Amino acid sequence: LAKTTQPISMDSYEGQEVNITCSHNNIATNDYITWYQQFPSQGPRFIIQGYKTKVTNEVASLFIPADRKSSTLSLPRVSLSDTAVYYCLVGDFETGANNLFFGTGTRLTVIP
Amino acid sequence: EPEVTQTPSHQVTQMGQEVILRCVPISNHLYFYWYRQILGQKVEFLVSFYNNEISEKSEIFDDQFSVERPDGSNFTLKIRSTKLEDSAMYFCASSEDYRTNEQFFGPGTRLTVL
Repeated sequence: LAKTTQPISMDSYEGQEVNITCSHNNIATNDYITWYQQFPSQGPRFIIQGYKTKVTNEVASLFIPADRKSSTLSLPRVSLSDTAVYYCLVGDFETGANNLFFGTGTRLTVIP
Repeated sequence: EPEVTQTPSHQVTQMGQEVILRCVPISNHLYFYWYRQILGQKVEFLVSFYNNEISEKSEIFDDQFSVERPDGSNFTLKIRSTKLEDSAMYFCASSEDYRTNEQFFGPGTRLTVL
């Protein structure tokens, strides 16, 4: 499993764009990059997944450079309700039942 | 929107007692999982389940743990003889297919062992 490293915490003001970078130097060829969000006392929630370049959905964008050794989750115009822990996960789901291995994540605090 | 449900939301038990945590995965999903999160720590994988059998389990999932899909809708986690260190939030998750990292998590059951 590729090890991931992301900042322990970040603060942002409401309305700003937030970029959380995750490094995964040992990512394997078949690995995908997935981000989850977790609010206090709730289960994690899938945000976005990508393999290379850029992926965008209604919630976030994911930027992956050509070497895939890092990725950046971008949250546009955050609100107070985006305060949560964000997890970067790397893994290959093609080979069987995919068990998610969470790190400590990045605790994002949005300030009014 | 379909969702994973879990009962009870909070379970308090005495050390050494058996507990059963229940989950109803999303109806068309085929893969089921249990995770746990000790207060203030990271989410840890326990077990995955497919086609009525365990696919993978972690080192945490020892002989005190078992899983079952007793009917077409429920998925249960049993802890035979609870220990103080089993106190945690237990999350059930399901996914439509293994070829995805998108798992849908339930709200969790908070287990407190006294």
